[in-house]
Amino acid sequence: KAGVTQTPRYLIKTRGQQVTLSCSPISGHRSVSWYQQTPGQGLQFLFEYFSETQRNKGNFPGRFSGRQFSNSRSEMNVSTLELGDSALYLCASSFLLVEDNEQFFGPGTRLTVL
Amino acid sequence: GENVEQHPSTLSVQEGDSAVIKCTYSDSASNYFPWYKQELGKRPQLIIDIRSNVGEKKDQRIAVTLNKTAKHFSLHITETQPEDSAVYFCAASLPPNFGNEKLTFGTGTRLTIIP
Repeated sequence: KAGVTQTPRYLIKTRGQQVTLSCSPISGHRSVSWYQQTPGQGLQFLFEYFSETQRNKGNFPGRFSGRQFSNSRSEMNVSTLELGDSALYLCASSFLLVEDNEQFFGPGTRLTVL
Repeated sequence: GENVEQHPSTLSVQEGDSAVIKCTYSDSASNYFPWYKQELGKRPQLIIDIRSNVGEKKDQRIAVTLNKTAKHFSLHITETQPEDSAVYFCAASLPPNFGNEKLTFGTGTRLTIIP
């Protein structure tokens, strides 16, 4: 079955703009988590959605938001972009069962803010 | 919240030798410990994981051990090959029914296999 997909793969934006990234989970997975990866900070948790509800949120400013649709696809939005938002944004999907909560990552969206 | 520390940050190993990467975690309620391998420009790939009801798990040349008392877990790669060169991340997670099952990652280990 198809893996996690993310679009777009690459984005170049300027400071002050806003951006929307999309993630389609593995079929049957209802949990989608988002992570930011940078050389300096490593892999940092952004938020997690399950059945269209945000279950967890990491320590990021309110400019970072997300949502999940009824088909489990998820989007994240970053408003008023800053240079420091340049990163690889990864989403991961999971069944989120007690004994089956492995998370599988998509290829990521590389965002460059100029 | 959970804190995961990973050592070493870089590791060079002669081809054929073994490599060991160690992680410690802070929250004793964490029960799921995956390891991811990330090659340059690619997504993290789950290579092995272990749950807190198991002390050791092996998959061919890769093994993971867990010491719940000491709150540390380790990745062991035997008979290393050039294709094992990558960055390896450990992570820890609470059980899903805690409502806070996000993965907390270590800072990564860049493993280089010397031919």
